[in-house]
Amino acid sequence: GESVGLHLPTLSVQEGDNSIINCAYSNSASDYFIWYKQESGKGPQFIIDIRSNMDKRQGQRVTVLLNKTVKHLSLQIAATQPGDSAVYFCAETTKGFQKLVFGTGTRLLVSP
Amino acid sequence: DTEVTQTPKHLVMGMTNKKSLKCEQHMGHRAMYWYKQKAKKPPELMFVYSYEKLSINESVPSRFSPECPNSSLLNLHLHALQPEDSALYLCASSQEGGPPRGEQFFGPGTRLTVL
Repeated sequence: GESVGLHLPTLSVQEGDNSIINCAYSNSASDYFIWYKQESGKGPQFIIDIRSNMDKRQGQRVTVLLNKTVKHLSLQIAATQPGDSAVYFCAETTKGFQKLVFGTGTRLLVSP
Repeated sequence: DTEVTQTPKHLVMGMTNKKSLKCEQHMGHRAMYWYKQKAKKPPELMFVYSYEKLSINESVPSRFSPECPNSSLLNLHLHALQPEDSALYLCASSQEGGPPRGEQFFGPGTRLTVL
């Protein structure tokens, strides 16, 4: 299930399930979006990106959906594995792609 | 080499100390960044260097002083920090000009504790 409170929003799933992580972005002028995965003790790691002229992009086991009308981004992970457990951040860019603004993040917990 | 390296991994300093964080990349990227990340929070942009020149300063206090000696190196000089400056400091780099692959590559960070 999903919970929001004083801690990071957390999504708990079973191994093999599909996961959907959501993100609301703030700037309607943003035209490039990235999903990052951050494991404990590490820096953010690129997962997938999408430009604003697209509404869907697929990678290996991951799909990003963009809804510009409601300023919403989602990351779908197919057949989630324990190694997918991490904090996931969406990020949007402004100012010529240099200023990367991160969303609040979602912790994904995958149980074997 | 597709890696951003940061040293030291951990740093503990007093409020009167002067220290420096170092970042290095050998991907030929011409944009380099410093971010600050507090626990359970997203990274927050501090500085951007583009072609070795400071292009963005997000109103960071002067006790943080960035330096880009060359296109592969980025330093963050620290002086008279406060305990609330304790955080993970992340360095990143990217190709200049953004997409199609405008992603920023992040280093592992320096965990800073100010006593």
